[in-house]
This record gives sequence, C-alpha cells and structure tokens, in this order.
Amino acid sequence: DGGITQSPKYLFRKEGQNVTLSCEQNLNHDAMYWYRQDPGQGLRLIYYSQIVNDFQKGDIAEGYSVSREKKESFPLTVTSAQKNPTAFYLCASTDRGLSNQPQHFGDGTRLSIL
Amino acid sequence: DAKTTQPNSMESNEEEPVHLPCNHSTISGTDYIHWYRQLPSQGPEYVIHGLTSNVNNRMASLAIAEDRKSSTLILHRATLRDAAVYYCILYSGAGSYQLTFGKGTKLSVIP
Repeated sequence: DGGITQSPKYLFRKEGQNVTLSCEQNLNHDAMYWYRQDPGQGLRLIYYSQIVNDFQKGDIAEGYSVSREKKESFPLTVTSAQKNPTAFYLCASTDRGLSNQPQHFGDGTRLSIL
Repeated sequence: DAKTTQPNSMESNEEEPVHLPCNHSTISGTDYIHWYRQLPSQGPEYVIHGLTSNVNNRMASLAIAEDRKSSTLILHRATLRDAAVYYCILYSGAGSYQLTFGKGTKLSVIP
C-alpha cells in the first residue's frame, strides 16, 4: 500500500541536542511538507519542498532544518536553537502541490524534552 | 489563504446524518474548499474537496452554497469511527501550497 511513513513515533530530546525526524513516501509525489501541531491547535507549516534539492521556509522555520536529496525522503532536523520543540510533527505529500490535489499525511512523531 | 469559521464542537447520535457547517465569506474565485479530519494522535485524513458544484464520494458529501461563502460537510450515517476533529480549509494552490488549518470542529458521536 502506498503512503507516508514517519519514524520514530515517539522521540525524546536532551538539552542542546539535535534530533532528526524521518519521513518517507512511496506515492511518487513531488511536493512534501512538514507541519507542527501544538495541543488543541491546528497545523503550522515549518518547511516544504516542491522538488528534489529545493525547499522553502514555512511560517515557523526558525530552529529547524531539512534536506531533500531524494524524491521519496524529506527528513526534518530539530536543532538546539528550537527552544520549545515539544509538539506533534506531521509530514505530508501531494502531487505537484496543486490546489485540487489532496495532501496525504503520515501518522506523526511526538517529540518531547527530557 | 482566506479564513474559515467553524463551530468548536458538535454532537451526533450514531447512525444519524451529520451536517458540519463552514463559513468562508472571503473566499476567492480560485480557492478550492477542502475538508480533512483528524483522529486523536493521528495525522489528518483527506475527506473531500470541491470548487463550485456539490461533490460526493464514499466518505461524505460536500454541499457548496451558490455564492460559495459557505459549505457543509455531510456524513450520511455517523459511526463511532467518525468521531474526530473536522477541518474546513480553503486552498488556493498559490505560494507555498500549504494547507492553513484552523481549530476545526470536534465531532462527538453518541452510541
């Protein structure tokens, strides 16, 4: 079955540590996204990528970094500069990012501070 | 992206129809109306989308007002698995192509 796989499901970060969240898709989608969700809130865009080797900042990119070396992979690194990283992180993909194409989401990674 | 307004919460009895409203008075001509739902601790799931005409799929129906300033997601027979937060989103496909999620409507289904 095609879909988006996020790992790990739960992640703990120590003070001053960088952590990387994995996102892999086998839908052959060009566009991929990272969102952050805080309790009781909607999703906010961190980074997005429309094509391999290219990505753009979203609304809350500070303290995060991404790479897009392969079409199927879009890992997110939460750096030590992100002072409030505790949240639910969601990866999504869509076919060419057009307005009439739905986004497909993974099941998320829940990140907490130790 | 233009803003949408949804009730914070709604309740429905199991096996009855549910009508989830959404107001989007500032919608532009190129905005598609998308609906997603999110179960606890899961990623959002696409439900349905439309532009001007009413739409049906295996999950739900979408009724769009003639002036496009409001829409209604219709679940024909609510089941316990339909209990979720439902998001109504206007998606222009311009700029970052991001979906702008509000707080949505939390639907509770009573057995």
